[in-house]
Amino acid sequence: EPEVTQTPSHQVTQMGQEVILRCVPISNHLYFYWYRQILGQKVEFLVSFYNNEISEKSEIFDDQFSVERPDGSNFTLKIRSTKLEDSAMYFCASSEGWRDTQYFGPGTRLTVL
Amino acid sequence: AQKVTQAQTEISVVEKEDVTLDCVYETRDTTYYLFWYKQPPSGELVFLIRRNSFDEQNEISGRYSWNFQKSTSSFNFTITASQVVDSAVYFCALSEANQAGTALIFGKGTTLSVSS
Repeated sequence: EPEVTQTPSHQVTQMGQEVILRCVPISNHLYFYWYRQILGQKVEFLVSFYNNEISEKSEIFDDQFSVERPDGSNFTLKIRSTKLEDSAMYFCASSEGWRDTQYFGPGTRLTVL
Repeated sequence: AQKVTQAQTEISVVEKEDVTLDCVYETRDTTYYLFWYKQPPSGELVFLIRRNSFDEQNEISGRYSWNFQKSTSSFNFTITASQVVDSAVYFCALSEANQAGTALIFGKGTTLSVSS
């Protein structure tokens, strides 16, 4: 069964560094998403992406964040100048159509020291 | 504004007990979608079910059943004859589907602990 994959599973970085989280969505899906979950809290929407453009973003997704589909398979989230409060689990998701179910990857745990 | 409330923070049951997880939602849209996801201790988010706002028919899948009531804005989830493997955090989520790539709005989750 096709699934969303994410790398790395765990990323440790120093405050102020840039990180890139990578995702490979399900191959026939056209809509891509990033969410984050601070430890013990609810899952929060960051951004959605379609046709090489951001289609929706939350207040959390400020200028520190960017997304890109650098090739036909990868979808990346870049966090510039990381802060301690960026420590969280970051989930990538994809859906076939815009009203379809979003399937999540296993997550990348980001730890900012 | 859209909102999902899961009032039960933690529930503990003994194996074979039935358990119901509550979900209440708020939305101004007439077209929306409701979801349940399971997050086991390993951390991934596993899709369980999706309902659209026009389909109030209850659904049963094995030991799982869902009760959708628009009149009370609720979408409750029942596990019958719970098992230890059901121990997880369960999230209810809402999508208003009013534009492309719409966000899922999650509740805070209910942690279910099933002991043997």
